[in-house]
Amino acid sequence: DTEVTQTPKHLVMGMTNKKSLKCEQHMGHRAMYWYKQKAKKPPELMFVYSYEKLSINESVPSRFSPECPNSSLLNLHLHALQPEDSALYLCASSQNRGTNEKLFFGSGTQLSVL
Amino acid sequence: SQKIEQNSEALNIQEGKTATLTCNYTNYSPAYLQWYRQDPGRGPVFLLLIRENEKEKRKERLKVTFDTTLKQSLFHITASQPADSATYLCALTEAAGNKLTFGGGTRVLVKP
Repeated sequence: DTEVTQTPKHLVMGMTNKKSLKCEQHMGHRAMYWYKQKAKKPPELMFVYSYEKLSINESVPSRFSPECPNSSLLNLHLHALQPEDSALYLCASSQNRGTNEKLFFGSGTQLSVL
Repeated sequence: SQKIEQNSEALNIQEGKTATLTCNYTNYSPAYLQWYRQDPGRGPVFLLLIRENEKEKRKERLKVTFDTTLKQSLFHITASQPADSATYLCALTEAAGNKLTFGGGTRVLVKP
């Protein structure tokens, strides 16, 4: 299994809602990532987890809260988002801790904040 | 400031020809450079990785070069096919850090 699975594929939420994005991989990878991608722009790093511990937070607003319950799962909890947070949210994993080599990406969650 | 620059204009190419994409960077000391392919509405897919001490890497119809003096990588798709139509992203990781940063990507359109 060489897939990173993200759910849901699409999400529409209001500014007062609380929702969660989920990501799962069964490749035994110990590094997992959240990226945000706006239309026609490159992916931008949000968070990195290495061995289930948060190792990088790219100064992301606290309305985004990551969680890594175990080595296969990564969540992104969303609360009180703004319309400008609408984007494609990509999860990725890699085998080697901290080296960022050969990332496997999921298909993403297309988020719309109304 | 740090920059990773790719040609933002789409590259239109005839089937069977070689597509050449450029990735230039400034104020980076990359340990290695990666190329990814991204189709609309999908996540990037890893293609090739080249390290700072390597000049060239090949995989099937793909070839990447890395010139740390020029601060440039070239990505070639030989015998291009319509199925190669996508956006191609280069990405850098510095030796001192563990953050992967992407360039803006170049869209390639291969016409039959």
